[in-house]
Amino acid sequence: EAGVAQSPRYKIIEKRQSVAFWCNPISGHATLYWYQQILGQGPKLLIQFQNNGVVDDSQLPKDRFSAERLKGVDSTLKIQPAKLEDSAVYLCASSLEGGGTYNEQFFGPGTRLTVL
Amino acid sequence: GEDVEQSLFLSVREGDSSVINCTYTDSSSTYLYWYKQEPGAGLQLLTYIFSNMDMKQDQRLTVLLNKKDKHLSLRIADTQTGDSAIYFCAEAGGTGRRALTFGSGTRLQVQP
Repeated sequence: EAGVAQSPRYKIIEKRQSVAFWCNPISGHATLYWYQQILGQGPKLLIQFQNNGVVDDSQLPKDRFSAERLKGVDSTLKIQPAKLEDSAVYLCASSLEGGGTYNEQFFGPGTRLTVL
Repeated sequence: GEDVEQSLFLSVREGDSSVINCTYTDSSSTYLYWYKQEPGAGLQLLTYIFSNMDMKQDQRLTVLLNKKDKHLSLRIADTQTGDSAIYFCAEAGGTGRRALTFGSGTRLQVQP
């Protein structure tokens, strides 16, 4: 079974530039998550999708971050414009469903963003 | 909001047992997880425990849960150099949330 795919793996940009990350979840997984992991910290949820609808985006800085999951499969996360503090690893995860039972999340390898 | 705390660093000798501790604040958490992260790699689920359990054993791994004190621990028996990594405690299920709330991670260093 193929895992969660993310691209690019690494990205270096200057502040105020734009950047986009792509995630392809495991086939059949209804729920998709984007997490931000700043160096030395644990991952923090940015946004959660159930199929193509947003379940939780309360911690997404909406003035600069946007995300979509068209057709309920792939997802893109965009930052425009980037700030220095956005330097982090962006992790995508997926799970079979978002219901009340045990629900393992599978993580992709992440995209390491450096903002100069 | 939910908060998960861990100690930052643990160093053990190869063959010893390692115990990594975690405390959490959300009393409505239904599942608690331990993830492992190696340099440059994604997060790997090691084990999990349901909140109505006190203990779970999985080969070299033992998870203990004290729900009253909101304390979770991960014991790794016969620790090997390949166990060197960052270990994250995470909780989910509180107030219907599915997303995980992670601690800041414990770096385990195994000395030969």
